[in-house]
Amino acid sequence: NAGVMQNPRHLVRRRGQEARLRCSPMKGHSHVYWYRQLPEEGLKFMVYLQKENIIDESGMPKERFSAEFPKEGPSILRIQQVVRGDSAAYFCASSPDQPPDTQYFGPGTRLTVL
Amino acid sequence: AQSVTQLDSQVPVFEEAPVELRCNYSSSVSVYLFWYVQYPNQGLQLLLKYLSGSTLVKGINGFEAEFNKSQTSFHLRKPSVHISDTAEYFCAVSEDYAGNMLTFGGGTRLMVKP
Repeated sequence: NAGVMQNPRHLVRRRGQEARLRCSPMKGHSHVYWYRQLPEEGLKFMVYLQKENIIDESGMPKERFSAEFPKEGPSILRIQQVVRGDSAAYFCASSPDQPPDTQYFGPGTRLTVL
Repeated sequence: AQSVTQLDSQVPVFEEAPVELRCNYSSSVSVYLFWYVQYPNQGLQLLLKYLSGSTLVKGINGFEAEFNKSQTSFHLRKPSVHISDTAEYFCAVSEDYAGNMLTFGGGTRLMVKP
């Protein structure tokens, strides 16, 4: 059973471009979470999704950021018009529906905005 | 709202010495507690978790943690560390049994010296 997959592992964007980060949860997992880790800081919750639904987006910046988890395919975290302050490591985690279990983390995508 | 405080940002220790990484939390409700480890340029790996029952929890790689409700603490300990334990350690809390919506501490960098 492969773990949580994230791609790309490293992403470089210029200011104003769009960044798309992908997360494939573990097989059988229907819950996906996105976290952001700024340099020298802990992880901060961004959004929690189940298939086709956003359950909690209380940690998402109000503008430029969006997330989806379609019925088929990976979860996508999209950042429009990136700024230097978006440079961070973005981690995805997944957990199964039954039984309830802890979150399993992917290796992260390191976004660098030039 | 819940919060997690890891008082020590860095802990240097010699190989084979014991170590304790401190974690204190605040919450208005019952919580579930987790310790994760992050090796350089990797995602987070679950070390151990406290959900209920015995307050002394044993995890992987020889680590253990003790839940102290009166002191709202969940300190991580290992009796003898190895060079390979050098990593960032994160304490996290959740108000959900499944560990959803984790709130992380700022992390403690454990540096094991030969």
